[in-house]
Amino acid sequence: NAGVTQTPKFRVLKTGQSMTLLCAQDMNHEYMYWYRQDPGMGLRLIHYSVGEGTTAKGEVPDGYNVSRLKKQNFLLGLESAAPSQTSVYFCASSTRQGPEGEQFFGPGTRLTVL
Amino acid sequence: GDSVTQMEGPVTLSEEAFLTINCTYTATGYPSLFWYVQYPGEGLQLLLKATKADDKGSNKGFEATYRKETTSFHLEKGSVQVSDSAVYFCALSDPGDSSYKLIFGSGTRLLVRP
Repeated sequence: NAGVTQTPKFRVLKTGQSMTLLCAQDMNHEYMYWYRQDPGMGLRLIHYSVGEGTTAKGEVPDGYNVSRLKKQNFLLGLESAAPSQTSVYFCASSTRQGPEGEQFFGPGTRLTVL
Repeated sequence: GDSVTQMEGPVTLSEEAFLTINCTYTATGYPSLFWYVQYPGEGLQLLLKATKADDKGSNKGFEATYRKETTSFHLEKGSVQVSDSAVYFCALSDPGDSSYKLIFGSGTRLLVRP
């Protein structure tokens, strides 16, 4: 049982390049989330999904797209990377327990955009 | 909108000292409250939670009590260890939000010296 895994762990991009971050969970969770973590700002929600085939915008969705084609995977795409997207990205998943449910986090992807 | 405010760090303590990390929240309803911990180079892990007023969450010697009258959820530990050095995040989940997303504070770094 690997929990939540993220690939890659590190990536350096040039401005304008594109990339996809992959999140996978093996806990059969319905809900999945993408957050970004910036110094002094905590974690902010980018996009989320409440089930296979569904996605929705979070607090800071601009410049990102997501897809949830399979229940266990949640992909985050950057079509044209910008230096402002330099951050650490965390994926999380949870069951449909309600607001008291625990979110399980992956180890993060550190992205630098030059 | 909902928000979480944490005391700024870093907090530096000697081993066996008493720890308090302040957390206050703003929410329209009655949120669930959480403390997550992030050890160096890792993702976030749930430390403890409370889902209604006057509930006390506890784990690994840490405690926090849901105080509705002061909208607070302060984290305490009676005797910290070097291994407690980490970043601590206070977070809430609004039961009126069907995404069950977490809203995080900015995080407080704790450094415990031997």
